[in-house]
Amino acid sequence: DAGITQSPRHKVTETGTPVTLRCHQTENHRYMYWYRQDPGHGLRLIHYSYGVKDTDKGEVSDGYSVSRSKTEDFLLTLESATSSQTSVYFCAISKGGGRMDEQYFGPGTRLTVT
Amino acid sequence: GIQVEQSPPDLILQEGANSTLRCNFSDSVNNLQWFHQNPWGQLINLFYIPSGTKQNGRLSATTVATERYSLLYISSSQTTDSGVYFCAVGLSGNTGKLIFGQGTTLQVKP
Repeated sequence: DAGITQSPRHKVTETGTPVTLRCHQTENHRYMYWYRQDPGHGLRLIHYSYGVKDTDKGEVSDGYSVSRSKTEDFLLTLESATSSQTSVYFCAISKGGGRMDEQYFGPGTRLTVT
Repeated sequence: GIQVEQSPPDLILQEGANSTLRCNFSDSVNNLQWFHQNPWGQLINLFYIPSGTKQNGRLSATTVATERYSLLYISSSQTTDSGVYFCAVGLSGNTGKLIFGQGTTLQVKP
């Protein structure tokens, strides 16, 4: 258990509405990640953070933004949700302080965009 | 980009049987992890194993980095072993992101 929580755990929203998902960690890890999991694609990186206010894009970042104003919180925002963003979203942290250290995942958020 | 291929894609076992899952990757890696995704969707860390061999109870893993593959062994399987097993790799000089294989879906029958 790496002390990672995600909220909400489930959400249904309508196309065009903004949505923010929260990842919270209790152990002060530097590196945090947002992935999405879709059938046929496995898990893919959306955005990551290497410190407070330090973020960068992953391979599927279009339509998403992130913010990290505190070490413990990493927020993922869908500015205008689309049906293609229906997915399960996982937050992860890299333990040990290095980006190549072992990653641990939160419980996931199931998002449905209708 | 790097390719991560897992085999077999699906596996059905009787309780008590042994199995070997394979992960092939197409480039040198600095990080390799095995995960079990249980039927509730939770990703559970099994091994962090960029090279060498590790054992944890009925599970063990071996990574031969020079030949670009990793194996996960499950012995005396139990119904609770059911789920999807993912291999994920991280590249040198990268963001630290993990690149996942497509997974092996394991069903253990009582």
